[in-house]
Amino acid sequence: QQPVQSPQAVILREGEDAVINCSSSKALYSVHWYRQKHGEAPVFLMILLKGGEQKGHDKISASFNEKKQQSSLYLTASQLSYSGTYFCGDQIRGVSGGGADGLTFGKGTHLIIQP
Amino acid sequence: DGGITQSPKYLFRKEGQNVTLSCEQNLNHDAMYWYRQDPGQGLRLIYYSQIVNDFQKGDIAEGYSVSREKKESFPLTVTSAQKNPTAFYLCASSNPIDGSYEQYFGPGTRLTVT
Repeated sequence: QQPVQSPQAVILREGEDAVINCSSSKALYSVHWYRQKHGEAPVFLMILLKGGEQKGHDKISASFNEKKQQSSLYLTASQLSYSGTYFCGDQIRGVSGGGADGLTFGKGTHLIIQP
Repeated sequence: DGGITQSPKYLFRKEGQNVTLSCEQNLNHDAMYWYRQDPGQGLRLIYYSQIVNDFQKGDIAEGYSVSREKKESFPLTVTSAQKNPTAFYLCASSNPIDGSYEQYFGPGTRLTVT
């Protein structure tokens, strides 16, 4: 079952902030965040691991509530280059759990930044 | 430059034909993945491989087959049994052994079957 993302779409002015949410029904090992521009491959933004470790961009932050299986991506002072579709992907096992599975992605959140 | 290559970028086939999509990586990653993306949808996992000569089915494996004979290569065959093969196919790799779970994606192959 794929995670649920909200909102489905958001339109911002340059400089405004945005929050994108991702909710899963499974016990998770990690949550990944990717951004995809039209016709291109997804680009890695952030990973949040069970236990609190985070890896990602300087200008993008995220949170992971392990008890609620929810993650949020925070985009502050948005720039035109932030436009695209944001996907969260969840993973139920890491290497220590027997293997690193593929990701189950949400349907995406479309972000449009206007000048 | 290290990365993932997929070829071709666009592929056209007639219904009933099998077609193989190429995915090569020179990142020395152990794990490789195939995803399918339909318009307006997220990515769905087809197959993945954590090590050479081993692979597992993902969420939508029916009508697809893979092989992993070499660490750097993970080709995907779309068989005639796949009912709706037209889609954007993305290959990815990661190196979880190093604790790096982020997945790096190739540029994708857009397959059209008529």
